[in-house]
Order: sequence, then structure tokens, then C-alpha cells
Amino acid sequence: GIQVEQSPPDLILQEGANSTLRCNFSDSVNNLQWFHQNPWGQLINLFYIPSGTKQNGRLSATTVATERYSLLYISSSQTTDSGVYFCAVENSGYSTLTFGKGTMLLVSP
Amino acid sequence: GAGVSQSPRYKVAKRGQDVALRCDPISGHVSLFWYQQALGQGPEFLTYFQNEAQLDKSGLPSDRFFAERPEGSVSTLKIQRTQQEDSAVYLCASSLALGPDGNTIYFGEGSWLTVV
Repeated sequence: GIQVEQSPPDLILQEGANSTLRCNFSDSVNNLQWFHQNPWGQLINLFYIPSGTKQNGRLSATTVATERYSLLYISSSQTTDSGVYFCAVENSGYSTLTFGKGTMLLVSP
Repeated sequence: GAGVSQSPRYKVAKRGQDVALRCDPISGHVSLFWYQQALGQGPEFLTYFQNEAQLDKSGLPSDRFFAERPEGSVSTLKIQRTQQEDSAVYLCASSLALGPDGNTIYFGEGSWLTVV
């Protein structure tokens, strides 16, 4: 099946700093989503982005499908950004997602 | 409803006990998914429904796991004769499956199962 690798595995930031999270995948995809899992376990959909660039406030994402990677940018980080960020991809036709292992982000005040 | 609703939120089961986990997807969502998330790992796919049809159950780890969605809305994941390795968070998700935003998947808060 398709492989998803995320980097870095862990990241510690000072509040206000910027960061870039990376997701590499091993095959072409129909669907790519970024999620934030908060400390209570809730997975929140950030972006549906199989290709191109999207922005939502302090967050933006870019997927270069031909090179099989996606980037999530967090600017001016806040303590509420802490949690685990997952990249998930789908290429089966059923929208069943394969998740990476995630990047654990801690933003300190 | 406004979001995907799961119950119970927390369940402690004795080894060998049967459990049933319920998922109420977003109203009108055609697709429904169950995922299993072990501590420190990403969610792993279990099974997928399109309306009442179970189109993919390749992720179910054993024949002790069974899922149904008889009327194409609420779904139940049943685990028979629970084992300690079944301890995990069970996540339900749904998607509209139609239109430009149709593939965006929305997750519930999960059912945290601990088998003792």
C-alpha cells in the first residue's frame, strides 16, 4: 500500500515562531488532507489539498503532486496550535485514508 | 447533527467481554469510516460504508470485529471477546462524497476502549 512519511516527528517552538511540516508519499494520490489532533484526541480537518496551495488564516498548505510531497506552514504559532499534525492520503478510490505517524508540535509561551 | 457523534466516549471492558461502539455521522453524509488509533500512532483504517453497503472491511484485524450500518445512517462497531490488544481509540468519520468538498472527511471525538 501507499507509504506516508512525516517530518519532523517532534517540534518545539516558542510562541510567535513559524514552522514547516512535511509529508512525503510514495504514490500518486486522489486525496490528501491535513489534520490537527488536539490534546483531547479530536481530529480537526485543516485542509483538503490533493494539489495546489490553500491558506486559512495563519495556516497554509501546498501539495506538489508530481513530486509527491505536501507542506503545512504555521505562522506566528500560538500555544493552542500544540498537538499532533497528521497528513493522510488516499489512492484507492474509496476515500479511505492512510495516515502518517504525525508531527507532535509543542508551542511554549 | 452538527458533527460526528460517538458513544460511549470511554469504555473499560474486561477481557472476553463484548463491546458495541456507536457512531452517528453528519446528517446526509454518504460515506462512513471506522479507524483504530493506538497510543502514539496515526489512525489505521478498519472499514468503510457507502450508505448501508460495507464496501471495504479489509482493515478489520480479526473476525472478532464486526461493523454494520443497516439504514445508511448510524453505524455500530462490535468487538467480540475483547483482548488487551484491542485497547485503542476507535474513531468514526464521515464525508458527503458529493461535490467539490465531497472528499473532506470529518472525524468524531472517538471512543476510548481499555481492555483489562
